[in-house]
Amino acid sequence: AQTVTQSQPEMSVQEAETVTLSCTYDTSESDYYLFWYKQPPSRQMILVIRQEAYKQQNATENRFSVNFQKAAKSFSLKISDSQLGDAAMYFCAYRRASQGGSEKLVFGKGMKLTVNP
Amino acid sequence: DTGVSQNPRHKITKRGQNVTFRCDPISEHNRLYWYRQTLGQGPEFLTYFQNEAQLEKSRLLSDRFSAERPKGSFSTLEIQRTEQGDSAMYLCASSFFGLTYEQYFGPGTRLTVT
Repeated sequence: AQTVTQSQPEMSVQEAETVTLSCTYDTSESDYYLFWYKQPPSRQMILVIRQEAYKQQNATENRFSVNFQKAAKSFSLKISDSQLGDAAMYFCAYRRASQGGSEKLVFGKGMKLTVNP
Repeated sequence: DTGVSQNPRHKITKRGQNVTFRCDPISEHNRLYWYRQTLGQGPEFLTYFQNEAQLEKSRLLSDRFSAERPKGSFSTLEIQRTEQGDSAMYLCASSFFGLTYEQYFGPGTRLTVT
């Protein structure tokens, strides 16, 4: 079974600074997707960024970028120029890429990010 | 596109009562997922539908739980004889299989069993 581990339950960052959230995963599959989801307080979960395992290039979405290390099974999220609105729970998630399956997401426990003004 | 909606947003019930939650996915999405999220944990997969067919159920989904998606549109999740351990946030997500990777989540229904 696939597992996702987020070992840091909480982090804080000063506004405008950079923070890196770590995630490791375990799978025997060679083809899969990795995601970072953001869950603001009392609001719904939204997708921040996605990485396909077959792509060597790290994904980037504006201030958000990932460091994907396939051999190490590591998938960290870097948030640059942190903003107050980035404060939320962040979840790392894994999904198999094989066709015909449920494409269910396997989540880590999450990490609470606080942004200090 | 109004997003995924869930009703009710909060439900307080007494142990032993039955509860039913509703999820309305994004209209053109053919896949619908239910997840459960307990305090301090990430969401855990419960079940999913492709159109009206329920194609997979997690071992977490005991026989007290039943889900339906009768016309391939909205879905309901019913919990019979609720227990305190059922207290959690129940999340619904939808996606369009074969076209996009993203699952779009609803705001969730928070269940408290007293």
